[in-house]
Amino acid sequence: GQQLNQSPQSMFIQEGEDVSMNCTSSSIFNTWLWYKQDPGEGPVLLIALYKAGELTSNGRLTAQFGITRKDSFLNISASIPSDVGIYFCAGPYDNFNKFYFGSGTKLNVKP
Amino acid sequence: NAGVTQTPKFRVLKTGQSMTLLCAQDMNHEYMYWYRQDPGMGLRLIHYSVGEGTTAKGEVPDGYNVSRLKKQNFLLGLESAAPSQTSVYFCASRVGFPYNEQFFGPGTRLTVL
Repeated sequence: GQQLNQSPQSMFIQEGEDVSMNCTSSSIFNTWLWYKQDPGEGPVLLIALYKAGELTSNGRLTAQFGITRKDSFLNISASIPSDVGIYFCAGPYDNFNKFYFGSGTKLNVKP
Repeated sequence: NAGVTQTPKFRVLKTGQSMTLLCAQDMNHEYMYWYRQDPGMGLRLIHYSVGEGTTAKGEVPDGYNVSRLKKQNFLLGLESAAPSQTSVYFCASRVGFPYNEQFFGPGTRLTVL
């Protein structure tokens, strides 16, 4: 099946640093979604993107829908300890009935 | 509202045993999904449902069956558990097109010995 490739796989950063991660695909997507999974919990939607080139913010988080429609980026500014978790990208297929998820970027923040 | 709940939270099975995982949602959502999460592999779709009485296969359906007899419940069954089914299982629900957000349950950690 389709693969959404996320990089980096994991990051260790200092509190206050900015973070960038990305997600790439071999196919075009019309929607990109970014989820965060806290340890021991299910994923929660952070940001949804619907248009190529779109830049959307949610607090300290900013995500972009790549102009080729084959990639998306997530940035976190001024990281804090509660940003720790796994960040997943996801994209719909099969007439928006199903979603592929990337393998995730695990973020660790040192206080 | 409880959102999406999953029962049980943890389970240990022996190879060949059967079990059913229950997912319940109180948001009147049409769509429901079962995923498994394995280290480094993200979430992989097992089965899904687009409404009461419907089910369909996802990416990794072998060894699993599902039923959606009531809109609020989505059951995942393992008829003869295998060690390869050791995983964390997540259920999710969604209003339906054009809304893309899935609401996830807290997960069930299953170990098959």
